[in-house]
Amino acid sequence: TQLLEQSPQFLSIQEGENLTVYCNSSSVFSSLQWYRQEPGEGPVLLVTVVTGGEVKKLKRLTFQFGDARKDSSLHITAAQPGDTGLYLCAPRIGTASKLTFGTGTRLQVTL
Amino acid sequence: KAGVTQTPRYLIKTRGQQVTLSCSPISGHRSVSWYQQTPGQGLQFLFEYFSETQRNKGNFPGRFSGRQFSNSRSEMNVSTLELGDSALYLCASGTGSSYNEQFFGPGTRLTVL
Repeated sequence: TQLLEQSPQFLSIQEGENLTVYCNSSSVFSSLQWYRQEPGEGPVLLVTVVTGGEVKKLKRLTFQFGDARKDSSLHITAAQPGDTGLYLCAPRIGTASKLTFGTGTRLQVTL
Repeated sequence: KAGVTQTPRYLIKTRGQQVTLSCSPISGHRSVSWYQQTPGQGLQFLFEYFSETQRNKGNFPGRFSGRQFSNSRSEMNVSTLELGDSALYLCASGTGSSYNEQFFGPGTRLTVL
């Protein structure tokens, strides 16, 4: 059974701080997606990483896929209140089309 | 391009009733997936339809069912509602490609009293 862990579960920081959230598993992923969900809305896709060691940047967000493709991290530089939300990782294992979502990291950025 | 739409947005039912939720995917998308989101369990996969066929199914009881029409619109049905079915039900559409990137609708908030 795949065990998917996201950490930390909750994070409250002030505007301008940096932070990193993690997504870990004992299984090897064929790809992994990160989503952000704001209150009252559905999750929005941020990025898909595919290759071990891959790094992708989206403005102040940096996504990294572990070399062994069992983990991923999301780093936010100079967080802003607009970054507030639930960050979800969703790996894909093998050729399965369905996604399994982590429990998420709930981030609050205050002024 | 219009996004994923879900109707209704909010719904209140009582135990024992049944409910049908509707989802219209992004035009051209043939894959529709349904998820249940609760504070305790997070986002859990219900099922996925692709070209009117159920392609994947999660670990939910048979009270949860779905279907997809030829225009890719999808419905999910929950029969004999239980209090624990109270949740946000999210629909996501995708191209069905190998990465299966999901585009979510705003969800239907179901409350069972």
